[in-house]
Amino acid sequence: DAKTTQPPSMDCAEGRAANLPCNHSTISGNEYVYWYRQIHSQGPQYIIHGLKNNETNEMASLIITEDRKSSTLILPHATLRDTAVYYCIATKTSYDKVIFGPGTSLSVIP
Amino acid sequence: EPEVTQTPSHQVTQMGQEVILRCVPISNHLYFYWYRQILGQKVEFLVSFYNNEISEKSEIFDDQFSVERPDGSNFTLKIRSTKLEDSAMYFCASIRGQRVIYGYTFGSGTRLTVV
Repeated sequence: DAKTTQPPSMDCAEGRAANLPCNHSTISGNEYVYWYRQIHSQGPQYIIHGLKNNETNEMASLIITEDRKSSTLILPHATLRDTAVYYCIATKTSYDKVIFGPGTSLSVIP
Repeated sequence: EPEVTQTPSHQVTQMGQEVILRCVPISNHLYFYWYRQILGQKVEFLVSFYNNEISEKSEIFDDQFSVERPDGSNFTLKIRSTKLEDSAMYFCASIRGQRVIYGYTFGSGTRLTVV
């Protein structure tokens, strides 16, 4: 699976959009980009995934660049409950083992 | 919404004792996983399980660890002789897999404390 790189931490004001970047410059054509998050000591939570096209669900939007070398997870109106560590992962199938890196620690500030 | 259920939520055990951590995955899921997270560290993959056998395991998953799906619903992780360094949160996860593409569902974890 391709290596992903994320900033270690970010702040976001409550109510504003949180844009979390991920670099995956070595991603192969059949690898999906997955995002998970972990709210303090809870089990990780799946957020969204994509292959080529931008995706949106009730939690977030995923923007993947045309060359697929990077992506951005967007939480459109961040709340205090979105404070968590966010993980970007590249993997070929949904059932491949997920390897978590250090992720980005997002702090939503009142 | 379907959930992955883990019991107990917290277990304290003496070093050298055996522990069994239990998980009930989502009923129509086919792939099962155990992960652990030592306090302050990242979530680490332990083992994946499919079709009643281990499909992949990490270096952490040595002979002290075993997994079992004893019936159609439970998925267990056994640690035969616990060490202090086994103290961690243990998370179970499952996914339907095959042609359905989405993410894992994780349980809320079991906090294991070895004293």
